[in-house]
Amino acid sequence: DGGITQSPKYLFRKEGQNVTLSCEQNLNHDAMYWYRQDPGQGLRLIYYSQIVNDFQKGDIAEGYSVSREKKESFPLTVTSAQKNPTAFYLCASKRGGSYEQYFGPGTRLTVT
Amino acid sequence: QKEVEQDPGPLSVPEGAIVSLNCTYSNSAFQYFMWYRQYSRKGPELLMYTYSSGNKEDGRFTAQVDKSSKYISLFIRDSQPSDSATYLCAMSSPASGGSYIPTFGRGTSLIVHP
Repeated sequence: DGGITQSPKYLFRKEGQNVTLSCEQNLNHDAMYWYRQDPGQGLRLIYYSQIVNDFQKGDIAEGYSVSREKKESFPLTVTSAQKNPTAFYLCASKRGGSYEQYFGPGTRLTVT
Repeated sequence: QKEVEQDPGPLSVPEGAIVSLNCTYSNSAFQYFMWYRQYSRKGPELLMYTYSSGNKEDGRFTAQVDKSSKYISLFIRDSQPSDSATYLCAMSSPASGGSYIPTFGRGTSLIVHP
C-alpha cells in the first residue's frame, strides 16, 4: 500500500521546546517537500529536497530545520526560534520527471 | 498582485448543481496545472492534472485550461454533499536547474447542501 505517512496526527508542545515531525514515503519518489498551512493563507513552502543529502530553503525556512539521510524520509524540526509554530504541517513528494505532488495526511502542531 | 488568484468562497450550492471553480494566474510560463481537493483537517488529494490547454475529463470532473486568458477551471457535475471540501489549484513552469516548486492558490471552500 503505497503512500506518504506523517506522524503524529496531533502534536502538543510547550513553548521553547524543539519538536520533530515525521514524514515517510514508500512511493520511491525523489523529491520531498514541507509546507505549512494556516487558515486563509494557503500553502507556504518551508523546505524541499530533490535528492538524498541535499535540501533547499523555501519561503519560510526561518525557525525550521530538515534532514534527508534516506530517500524515504524527510523529517522536519520546528525549533524554539520559530515565532509562531502552531499550524497544520503537510509533507509532499514527487516522482522525478513529473510535476504532480502527492501529500501526506498532515500533522497539526499546537504550541502553548 | 499574487501569481495565482483564487476566490476563497465559500461557494454554497444545492446537491446536483454544476459547480465551477476557477483560478487566474499572471505568469505566462506556467504550463502544468493541477487541482487538489482537501477535506477539513486532511492532506490535499490530487484530483486532476493537465499539461495543455483545453479540457480534460474524469468522471464528474472536468479541468479546463485557457492559456491565452491565463485562466483555469474545474467543473463538477451532479455535485454531491461529499464534494464539500476546499479545492486548491496549483501550477508550475518547466523546472529550471532541476528544481520544481508549484505555486498554489489559496483554495475555494465548496459547500454542497442536500
